[in-house]
Amino acid sequence: KQEVTQIPAALSVPEGENLVLNCSFTDSAIYNLQWFRQDPGKGLTSLLLIQSSQREQTSGRLNASLDKSSGRSTLYIAASQPGDSATYLCAVSGQGGKLIFGQGTELSVKP
Amino acid sequence: GAVVSQHPSWVICKSGTSVKIECRSLDFQATTMFWYRQFPKQSLMLMATSNEGSKATYEQGVEKDKFLINHASLTLSTLTVTSAHPEDSSFYICSALAQTSAQEFFGPGTRLTVL
Repeated sequence: KQEVTQIPAALSVPEGENLVLNCSFTDSAIYNLQWFRQDPGKGLTSLLLIQSSQREQTSGRLNASLDKSSGRSTLYIAASQPGDSATYLCAVSGQGGKLIFGQGTELSVKP
Repeated sequence: GAVVSQHPSWVICKSGTSVKIECRSLDFQATTMFWYRQFPKQSLMLMATSNEGSKATYEQGVEKDKFLINHASLTLSTLTVTSAHPEDSSFYICSALAQTSAQEFFGPGTRLTVL
């Protein structure tokens, strides 16, 4: 059974810092991995999607890497801003297209 | 980008009543939609997969008679929480799988509070 774990559960940083969020999964047989952002009481916004054959994806200040063999992904946020404060969720897609989510990392960027 | 809406965005009801939540794909067709539940400070847990024109597939531990799913068209799926109890209070999120791109797009969620 696929399990997704995110570390840390919460993170507080001063504005301008570069930071890394970690995601690990137990079954390397995935089709893709996605990073989402969730603001309090809101739905999900897809940030980056990495296909199983890819190693990384970049969008603006965000960079996500994928090491399928070791079951790990990282989300790198450069020059963090207060507007980046949210919960970041990692999810892997396996058989049947079902997404398995991690618990999320709650990020707070202090001005 | 593709937009998925949910209605209502929040609902408060008395214990024992039934509540219907709608999920619509506004600008694309979706033969498959998913329903998730999220408790406070926890991640999303898949409840069921809704397929247009056929019965929904429920995840282990989810009562199909309590959470009724109807996917009557390519743009609409509904989740009805029957005889709701306080422990059903949660954030319910749907998603729709775009046929063309096979990408999953999420709705804004519905906050259900059962008194």
